[in-house]
Amino acid sequence: AQSVSQHNHHVILSEAASLELGCNYSYGGTVNLFWYVQYPGQHLQLLLKYFSGDPLVKGIKGFEAEFIKSKFSFNLRKPSVQWSDTAEYFCAVLFGGSQGNLIFGKGTKLSVKP
Amino acid sequence: DGGITQSPKYLFRKEGQNVTLSCEQNLNHDAMYWYRQDPGQGLRLIYYSQIVNDFQKGDIAEGYSVSREKKESFPLTVTSAQKNPTAFYLCASRKGGTDTQYFGPGTRLTVL
Repeated sequence: AQSVSQHNHHVILSEAASLELGCNYSYGGTVNLFWYVQYPGQHLQLLLKYFSGDPLVKGIKGFEAEFIKSKFSFNLRKPSVQWSDTAEYFCAVLFGGSQGNLIFGKGTKLSVKP
Repeated sequence: DGGITQSPKYLFRKEGQNVTLSCEQNLNHDAMYWYRQDPGQGLRLIYYSQIVNDFQKGDIAEGYSVSREKKESFPLTVTSAQKNPTAFYLCASRKGGTDTQYFGPGTRLTVL
C-alpha cells in the first residue's frame, strides 16, 4: 500500500537553530511531493512542492526541500528557524498523477522556543 | 474574496444525529475532496469528486455520504453510522489539469 512516513512526531528547537524534518514514501512510480504547514488556528497552507526538474525546491518563508529519488525521501529544511515557524508540518505524496490520491504523513509538530 | 469556505467553524451534535458540513469554493476548481484530521494521524481521505455528479470513496468512507450537484459545492454528511465522528474535517479543491490541492479552514465537529 502507498504510504508516507514522517520520522518525528514533535520537534522542539530554539530560535536560530537549523531544522530538518524527514519524509519518506513507499515506492509507487511517478510521484509529486508536497509539504504543507498548519499554523495554530489557520488553514493548511502549501509550503512547497516538487513535480520535476531540480530536486532542490525552495518554498515560502525560507524553507526548502530536497527530493532524493534513490532514498524515496523529501526532507524539509530551514537553516535558521524563528518562533513564528511554530506549526504542524505535513508531508504529502501524490501517487499516479493528478487523478491519483494525495497521501499524507502523520505530521510533525514543531515548537520553536524564543 | 476567492477561496474555499467551510461552515460552521465549530459544530456540536448529539450522538445518533446526522450532520451535514458545508464546503463551497469559488475558484472554479473541478475536483473537491473531504479529509478527516485526527491528532497524530495526519489527514485521511473520506470522499472525493473529480467532476460534478460523480464522486468516489476514499480510505475511510464508512459512515459518511456526499453529493456533488454543483461544481462549487461538495457537502459532507456525517451519519449516525460513523463510529467516532468527533474530528476536524477539511475540504480541499484542485483545478483540473493541475496537481495541487488547496484547503479550506476546516470544521471541528464534536459529537456529545
